[in-house]
Amino acid sequence: GQNIDQPTEMTATEGAIVQINCTYQTSGFNGLFWYQQHAGEAPTFLSYNVLDGLEEKGRFSSFLSRSKGYSYLLLKELQMKDSASYLCAPMDSNYQLIWGAGTKLIIKP
Amino acid sequence: GAVVSQHPSWVICKSGTSVKIECRSLDFQATTMFWYRQFPKQSLMLMATSNEGSKATYEQGVEKDKFLINHASLTLSTLTVTSAHPEDSSFYICSANRGGDAYEQYFGPGTRLTVT
Repeated sequence: GQNIDQPTEMTATEGAIVQINCTYQTSGFNGLFWYQQHAGEAPTFLSYNVLDGLEEKGRFSSFLSRSKGYSYLLLKELQMKDSASYLCAPMDSNYQLIWGAGTKLIIKP
Repeated sequence: GAVVSQHPSWVICKSGTSVKIECRSLDFQATTMFWYRQFPKQSLMLMATSNEGSKATYEQGVEKDKFLINHASLTLSTLTVTSAHPEDSSFYICSANRGGDAYEQYFGPGTRLTVT
């Protein structure tokens, strides 16, 4: 079956760094997306990794290891507005995104 | 670029009535549009995938006669919830992608449906 494993909730301090891990099992693999979703809102696209390695985009970076079925999202210089759910969504052989429940990130001052 | 709008943003309707939700890609042509439903604190659930000019592909367990999807143009898709019931109350979100090698989905702001 297809499965995504992320921590349900994480807490971090404003200005700090946090890493959100994601392990996945899919039928085939065509890349992995990270989305941010604020409460009551729709998801917004953060990153897409299809090759192994680290992709950096401003304060956010995303890493992928295809052989390990593992990805992480790294958030630096945390701001209060980063409080949201972060969704790891791998894409299977049919180019369909597989969605988990995401990780709720709580930022404290 | 890649802006997707949805209308209405929220709607309250009576049980037994129908509700239509529109999804538009404002600054790009969307080869494929997706309709999702999300209950509180749960993951996104894909309801159907639609391509312009063809019938939507529904996910297992989603009633195609209840959730009518029309994708009339490359910038517009509609979802009609027919004979709505209170259990249909949810957050409905559409997304679109550009097609080709661009797989990222851009989401509309969502529609919160409450059926009384």
